[in-house]
Amino acid sequence: DAKTTQPPSMDCAEGRAANLPCNHSTISGNEYVYWYRQIHSQGPQYIIHGLKNNETNEMASLIITEDRKSSTLILPHATLRDTAVYYCIVRDSGTYKYIFGTGTRLKVLA
Amino acid sequence: GAVVSQHPSWVICKSGTSVKIECRSLDFQATTMFWYRQFPKQSLMLMATSNEGSKATYEQGVEKDKFLINHASLTLSTLTVTSAHPEDSSFYICSAREGAGNTIYFGEGSWLTVV
Repeated sequence: DAKTTQPPSMDCAEGRAANLPCNHSTISGNEYVYWYRQIHSQGPQYIIHGLKNNETNEMASLIITEDRKSSTLILPHATLRDTAVYYCIVRDSGTYKYIFGTGTRLKVLA
Repeated sequence: GAVVSQHPSWVICKSGTSVKIECRSLDFQATTMFWYRQFPKQSLMLMATSNEGSKATYEQGVEKDKFLINHASLTLSTLTVTSAHPEDSSFYICSAREGAGNTIYFGEGSWLTVV
């Protein structure tokens, strides 16, 4: 079973920041949090990952709470092309398996 | 990021025939590859994990004799759907782990339609 829970859908105005939450209350100390997104009929695209510290790259920022039980993906200036399903995944530390939950369907509105 | 390519992107086959889908890591060596299936409006479901040179490990409920997985080299894994039926029609996606790296990269996916 997936170790994460996410809201099923969110809307965001174009140009605004999109904040996508994820709960992973059963995460273990050495398990990473990964974020991917899937645009219709394509394979998932890697966005960002982190263990304990907040992370930022050219696509997004990842904020992980101190207790590591939840995280937030931030798209700082959402565009229409960011409309996709966003998956938060806790990677199994031993097998490297990714078990996908239901994800959040983000719709960026013009 | 690293590139994973699948072929074919889409395929139509007749019931009872077999079809092979290839997954290649183009610019890195993949010690581990994963195969997923995704039905419309659903999430990805992990089917199996394949490690180069060894037998694949299948998830519970996935028939290993129906979905044959071969990972013969560090850049190629194949999924063969044997004796395909219309209910096997789905979007099949592979992913690959680069060596001892932490991140896994996904292919573009392959649409299978069984008629």
